[in-house]
Amino acid sequence: DVKVTQSSRYLVKRTGEKVFLECVQDMDHENMFWYRQDPGLGLRLIYFSYDVKMKEKGDIPEGYSVSREKKERFSLILESASTNQTSMYLCASSSPSFKNTEAFFGQGTRLTVV
Amino acid sequence: QKEVEQDPGPLSVPEGAIVSLNCTYSNSAFQYFMWYRQYSRKGPELLMYTYSSGNKEDGRFTAQVDKSSKYISLFIRDSQPSDSATYLCAMRANTGGFKTIFGAGTRLFVKA
Repeated sequence: DVKVTQSSRYLVKRTGEKVFLECVQDMDHENMFWYRQDPGLGLRLIYFSYDVKMKEKGDIPEGYSVSREKKERFSLILESASTNQTSMYLCASSSPSFKNTEAFFGQGTRLTVV
Repeated sequence: QKEVEQDPGPLSVPEGAIVSLNCTYSNSAFQYFMWYRQYSRKGPELLMYTYSSGNKEDGRFTAQVDKSSKYISLFIRDSQPSDSATYLCAMRANTGGFKTIFGAGTRLFVKA
């Protein structure tokens, strides 16, 4: 079975903390993505990466950064957590095939910033 | 205006009903149309995808794309309680770096 694993299911952090969300995939996919999911807003793309050490901003990158040092691992960093970053965070991976639309998602990390 | 609009519901139907889920979009460049299913406390998983216009059937599920109206639908026949989930439509163009745009998701409840 293909797998995208996020390091935590639930996290509670304080305002101003630096937060690391980790994601690992075992499918040898080149593409990896970080989304946040909020009620009524759907999935919004934060950052994505097409290759090791490459990253591109998505639609809502402010307040976030990412790191891709190895192909299988894509980390999302909240530089200084704020309450408006309380959300469900979803990592996904996909192959770079032009016609391959399927993205495989992790189980999500529900982050609460207090 | 959002690129993809989807009614969040919730939609509640009795077991055995035919369910119709819909999305509209504004970007005529979208060519790939997907439906994801997300169970509570899980990540989304791909249910069906369609390239360009037309219909696609897979068991009890049928996906339809009408590019002229910028409208896509997912039909579920003989709905089951196990179909209770949030259904997200998603779309992608042939350009723009494979960026997929998701709808907000429709929450479906199928009552036994």
